[in-house]
Amino acid sequence: AQSVTQLDSHVSVSEGTPVLLRCNYSSSYSPSLFWYVQHPNKGLQLLLKYTSAATLVKGINGFEAEFKKSETSFHLTKPSAHMSDAAEYFCVVSLTLFTDKLIFGTGTRLQVFP
Amino acid sequence: GAVVSQHPSRVICKSGTSVKIECRSLDFQATTMFWYRQFPKQSLMLMATSNEGSKATYEQGVEKDKFLINHASLTLSTLTVTSAHPEDSSFYICSARWDLAYNEQFFGPGTRLTVL
Repeated sequence: AQSVTQLDSHVSVSEGTPVLLRCNYSSSYSPSLFWYVQHPNKGLQLLLKYTSAATLVKGINGFEAEFKKSETSFHLTKPSAHMSDAAEYFCVVSLTLFTDKLIFGTGTRLQVFP
Repeated sequence: GAVVSQHPSRVICKSGTSVKIECRSLDFQATTMFWYRQFPKQSLMLMATSNEGSKATYEQGVEKDKFLINHASLTLSTLTVTSAHPEDSSFYICSARWDLAYNEQFFGPGTRLTVL
């Protein structure tokens, strides 16, 4: 069965320092992987997606993620955190072979301190 | 582009009443729309998938008679919570996709339902 595991429920960083949000996936097929961000009381916004093209994916707002098949990981990184990055982040896998369901991870809350 | 709206953004209702939530794709035709439920500080759980003009497909454990979904047009899907109870209080989020080949869903801002 397909699933995603977000290894940290909370991550705290200082403004200007790097961000690392970890995600591991399980999939029997070649998956599509996404990172979404959810700001308080707002809808989900797509940060980036991997769909079997380049393994290093660049997204919006300076975020990027690397698909590592050998490690079944899709970690999200940003070189320098900004206060506005504080939000909930979801790693998501899409079952691309037979269905288009999205399976969400449990989320990681990112706090950014001044 | 690819904007999805939901209405209302917040609704409070009495136990036993029914509540309708609308999900609209504003600038594209959505062949498929999805309804999710998010409990406080938890992840999104898919409730059902609806295709325009056909019956919705519900996930296991979701009561189809309680959560009525209608996808009458390519730009509108509605979720009706019938005979709502306090345990139905939650954040309901819809998403829309315009083409199976374009594997991306666009999410609405969500509707917070509180049942008293």
